[in-house]
Amino acid sequence: AQSVSQHNHHVILSEAASLELGCNYSYGGTVNLFWYVQYPGQHLQLLLKYFSGDPLVKGIKGFEAEFIKSKFSFNLRKPSVQWSDTAEYFCAVKPERNFGNEKLTFGTGTRLTIIP
Amino acid sequence: DAGITQSPRYKITETGRQVTLMCHQTWSHSYMFWYRQDLGHGLRLIYYSAAADITDKGEVPDGYVVSRSKTENFPLTLESATRSQTSVYFCASSGRLEETQYFGPGTRLLVL
Repeated sequence: AQSVSQHNHHVILSEAASLELGCNYSYGGTVNLFWYVQYPGQHLQLLLKYFSGDPLVKGIKGFEAEFIKSKFSFNLRKPSVQWSDTAEYFCAVKPERNFGNEKLTFGTGTRLTIIP
Repeated sequence: DAGITQSPRYKITETGRQVTLMCHQTWSHSYMFWYRQDLGHGLRLIYYSAAADITDKGEVPDGYVVSRSKTENFPLTLESATRSQTSVYFCASSGRLEETQYFGPGTRLLVL
């Protein structure tokens, strides 16, 4: 079964700083990768996803992520964060083909706090 | 476009009581999912359903029961609530298993 690691539990940045949140997964086959965001008091929303093709994917609100297959990573980046980016960010992975009970697996999340 | 809704949004109950959380989606998505969100654990899958009358266990199914008599509804029942089931519960749906899942607003459950 697959697993996802988000090593940064809580990240605090000032506005305009650059952001990179780490996400590493373990799975032997081809995967689909997702980043979800949960703003305070709200439900999860899809930020971006990678299924195939260009490993650099762009999402909403200026976020992007790069899939590096050799490192089993899918790090989330934003060049200049805003106060409104304060939220919890979840990386998720899913095998491209399901042969058993493999479904979407989430990381434990990274809380991002932006200081004005 | 209502999307995916959950009710109630907040619920307080007592240990031993039966509680049902409702989930409704208007997209005619085949797949529906129930997750619980707990600090330090992220989201964990409780049950999922591939279609009406087809359900399967996820990572943490103990103490929960689901049914799917209609495509659009996927209720989650706690047969005898325990304090460890205090959590935020999210319902999600997708057209196919490999597609993006869309989440509902969540139900915050407190078991006293």
